[in-house]
Amino acid sequence: KAGVTQTPRYLIKTRGQQVTLSCSPISGHRSVSWYQQTPGQGLQFLFEYFSETQRNKGNFPGRFSGRQFSNSRSEMNVSTLELGDSALYLCASSLFPDKETQYFGPGTRLLVL
Amino acid sequence: QKEVEQNSGPLSVPEGAIASLNCTYSDRGSQSFFWYRQYSGKSPELIMFIYSNGDKEDGRFTAQLNKASQYVSLLIRDSQPSDSATYLCAVNLYSGGGADGLTFGKGTHLIIQP
Repeated sequence: KAGVTQTPRYLIKTRGQQVTLSCSPISGHRSVSWYQQTPGQGLQFLFEYFSETQRNKGNFPGRFSGRQFSNSRSEMNVSTLELGDSALYLCASSLFPDKETQYFGPGTRLLVL
Repeated sequence: QKEVEQNSGPLSVPEGAIASLNCTYSDRGSQSFFWYRQYSGKSPELIMFIYSNGDKEDGRFTAQLNKASQYVSLLIRDSQPSDSATYLCAVNLYSGGGADGLTFGKGTHLIIQP
């Protein structure tokens, strides 16, 4: 069974631009969570989607948004990029919103110049 | 503000010895606890989860939970060089799923010396 896939794997943007990242969960998984990982703050929860509904959201500004499609694929969008948004963005999927079966994708590394 | 604290290390352990990784958390209501392993340049991989006080063993790994003292630990027996990685502790307010995301510690960098 294929794992979680994320596209693109690497991205370079400039301040003020916006970016959309994509995540395809493991086949059959309906829950997708997004995380931001930086050397300074570590791994931080962004939001979680299940059956196209956002179940909960971490402590991030409104510039960070996401959505989930009927096929469980998910996208996250960051508008008006700031230098501090440079990070590894990880997506994780699970059958249901249970963390015991959560599998991470390889991540998208975003660099904001 | 929920906090999960880990010693960043590096923690250096000789091959074959027991590696002991510790984690404390601030929210007394936390219900589920997870250990992830992350190799350099790779994504986190779940090793174990624990809900109840006491020990939970899986192969060379043992997770220990003490809710009264608000700490969780991971023991790795017969440490191997392949165990060298960053170990992330994560805490959830609810058991399993639930309307909450995971709060992660910043990780402990473990080095197993041959």
